Formats: sequence, C-alpha cells, structure tokens
Amino acid sequence: DTGVSQDPRHKITKRGQNVTFRCDPISEHNRLYWYRQTLGQGPEFLTYFQNEAQLEKSRLLSDRFSAERPKGSFSTLEIQRTEQGDSAMYLCASSLSGRGAFFGQGTRLTVV
Amino acid sequence: RKEVEQDPGPFNVPEGATVAFNCTYSNSASQSFFWYRQDCRKEPKLLMSVYSSGNEDGRFTAQLNRASQYISLLIRDSKLSDSATYLCVVNWGGSQGNLIFGKGTKLSVKP
Repeated sequence: DTGVSQDPRHKITKRGQNVTFRCDPISEHNRLYWYRQTLGQGPEFLTYFQNEAQLEKSRLLSDRFSAERPKGSFSTLEIQRTEQGDSAMYLCASSLSGRGAFFGQGTRLTVV
Repeated sequence: RKEVEQDPGPFNVPEGATVAFNCTYSNSASQSFFWYRQDCRKEPKLLMSVYSSGNEDGRFTAQLNRASQYISLLIRDSKLSDSATYLCVVNWGGSQGNLIFGKGTKLSVKP
C-alpha cells in the first residue's frame, strides 16, 4: 500500500495522559500536514512541514501540541496532558508542493 | 484571518439533477484550489483541482473566478453515490502556503 498511513487508528486515553500519533506519508511527497476534525466541521489546520522544516503552526494549537518530522519522512504528533476537548479525528495528509494532498484514514482520539 | 466559506447545505436533490456549489476565499494571494469529497466518518478524498481556465472531469466541472475570489463545483446527472460532503480547499498565501479547508457542503441525492 503506497498511500498515507496513520497509526493508531483509534486511541482512548484518560484525561491528563500524553498521546503520540504517527503518520507515514506517500514516499515522494515533500509536504506533510496535520489536521483535526470534529463532527460536522471541516478539517481544521494544525501544522505542516516541507521536508523536515515545520513551516507553519496554527495559533489554535496550544503548547500541549507538538509535531516533528525528523528526517523529512514520517511525522509524529504529540498531545501532552490531554483534555476532553482534544477528542477528535486527527488527520494526516501529504502532497507535492502546490498539488492536492492525500489523506490517511486518521486517528480517532477519545479522551475520557 | 483565514477564511474559506461554503454554504453548509444540505442540498437535497433528485437523481439526475444538476447541482452547483460555491465557495469564497479571502486571500487574494492564493494560487491553488481544490475540491474534496468526504463520506461520513471517512477521510477527505481529492476530487479535482481547480484551474483558472476551468476544468471538467466527467460529470464534474470546476471553475475559478479570481476577481471575485470564488470557486465553484457543478455536478451534472447526479447519482445516489454522489451523496457526500464536498469540501472547498484553498492553498493559503502562495506556493509556500498551507491548505485551508472550508466546512463543507452536504449533498444528499434521493431516488
């Protein structure tokens, strides 16, 4: 399978715990995006990378969120001290510069 | 403020109908535009890019109006399988910009 893959697909965690999600983009894609989506809303931009450089981070993203793409390949998104409001679908997408992005199936986070 | 605005719908149409969605964006520096389709509880899927000259893919036609800063999607001869949410996406701020999504327009095609 050469599409975007995300792991895990589902995550249930207790409030206050840290969670980390992984995204493996399409191999030749230089851009990688993270989005968050809740029911009835469009995907909300979190951050994106061009190769290993994090080019933009949404102001909506609190200090509890951090993302890395250490070698310009896979990326991780970490949420520290999770809150119930963090419950959402976290989507990763990759693209070549200027082209449309392709999404993974997402990680559904539930904070209890 | 980054804004991509869409009519949320729902658009309820009979099979065979023609339906059109519009989307407006606030950043005149945007250079790339796309339409995505999202089925319930699935990830968004790229439907088509939108070019300045307009482009067509089968029953789907996309158009861009840079002067008025809107893009449109026309679906002809609607099928039941076209029922989904259609998301307008704008590359924000030129070639280095990220992709900003609208909230989507829900389409329901009825028999």
